[in-house]
Parts: sequence; C-alpha cells; structure tokens
Amino acid sequence: GAVVSQHPSRVICKSGTSVKIECRSLDFQATTMFWYRQFPKKSLMLMATSNEGSKATYEQGVEKDKFLINHASLTLSTLTVTSAHPEDSSFYICSARDFRGGQHEQFFGPGTRLTVL
Amino acid sequence: AQSVTQPDIHITVSEGASLELRCNYSYGATPYLFWYVQSPGQGLQLLLKYFSGDTLVQGIKGFEAEFKRSQSSFNLRKPSVHWSDAAEYFCAVGRNSGNTPLVFGKGTRLSVIA
Repeated sequence: GAVVSQHPSRVICKSGTSVKIECRSLDFQATTMFWYRQFPKKSLMLMATSNEGSKATYEQGVEKDKFLINHASLTLSTLTVTSAHPEDSSFYICSARDFRGGQHEQFFGPGTRLTVL
Repeated sequence: AQSVTQPDIHITVSEGASLELRCNYSYGATPYLFWYVQSPGQGLQLLLKYFSGDTLVQGIKGFEAEFKRSQSSFNLRKPSVHWSDAAEYFCAVGRNSGNTPLVFGKGTRLSVIA
C-alpha cells in the first residue's frame, strides 16, 4: 500500500511558540490530505481537509488562524500550530487519499505527539 | 449525517477465546468500511476494508469482518485472540469521493488476559 510519513514524530515546545508538522505522501500524489487530532484514549477528530493549491476546509470549531494548513505540492501538506498552549498538546495524524486503482483509500501517517509545556 | 457507533468501549477476553467487535454505521450512500488497530502511542494500522463484492472480508492478523447491509453493521471477528491483539480498534466509514474523509467510531479497547 501507499506510504504516508510525518515529521517530527514527537515534539516538545514551550508555550507561545509555533510548531510545524509535515505530512508527506512518499510514493503517490495526494491532491487531498486530511488532518486529524486525537486526545488520549479518544477517537480521531477531523480538523481539516487540505487541498493542493487551495485553502483548507476546516471543521466546525477548529480555529483556522490557530492551525495553519498549507498544501503547496502534491506530496506535502503542513500543519502549523501557532502560539501553542498546553491545551494544544495532542496526537496529530495526517492522512492522504490515493486515487490510483479506482479505490480511493485513505492512508495514515504514523502521527506526531505534540507536548506544550 | 454519517456516523459510526462502536457500542463497546472496553472488552476483555481470554487468550485463545473468540472475539467480536461491533460496529454500526449510518450513511446515506453505499459505504466503504474499514477497521483499524492502534497500539498505545502508535499510528493506525489497517486491518481490513470493504468496498464491494463478497460481504465477508479477510484481513491481516487473522481478522475478518462481515458487511450486513440490512443491519448497517460491519463487525470484526477473530476466532482465537492472542495477547498481542490487545489494542484500540476503530471502525470507520467513507465513500468513493475525493474530498470526503473517513468518519471514525469512538473505538473499542481490547484487553487480553491469560
């Protein structure tokens, strides 16, 4: 299957700083990527849909100025958590849809653990 | 609106016993259905998926699931559980459309005892 990578896998930062998380599709082009957030022992909550070359679509309740998403190429989407605070600490998972073969399966990255002190 | 219900938050089974995890969905179109497993601190691993065809699908690690349209269910089964199967299991539903993301259930945590 297709491979999606995330970097970094783990990041610790001070409150007030910004953190950038990268999501890459390694062996396919992804016009659409999704960003999810997972709280401890909870399910995945969709944050936004990222479309190459256009603005991201955010889910209700997600601050677009807080969580900046850029999808500048067909293989890279980035999520920047601006002015991070402890309540932003979470597990962030990206996924990309592979349209090859006619079955639009969604592949997931390994996740990024963000801890804000 | 699309939704996925996993009625069991936590299940404990003995090693070697059979397992069934329940999943019910609400979807307006023909659904694509998935089961994922997540170990603590790890990402998601796809166990199996249903797009069309045979309603009984086989996955990795000895898991299988059966799609029952009349019951809007996609239950996951395994005939004999191993201690390494202890993890969180998520059912998800989607459709064959470019911008439609998967919708996840809340998950079922599986514990395996000796």
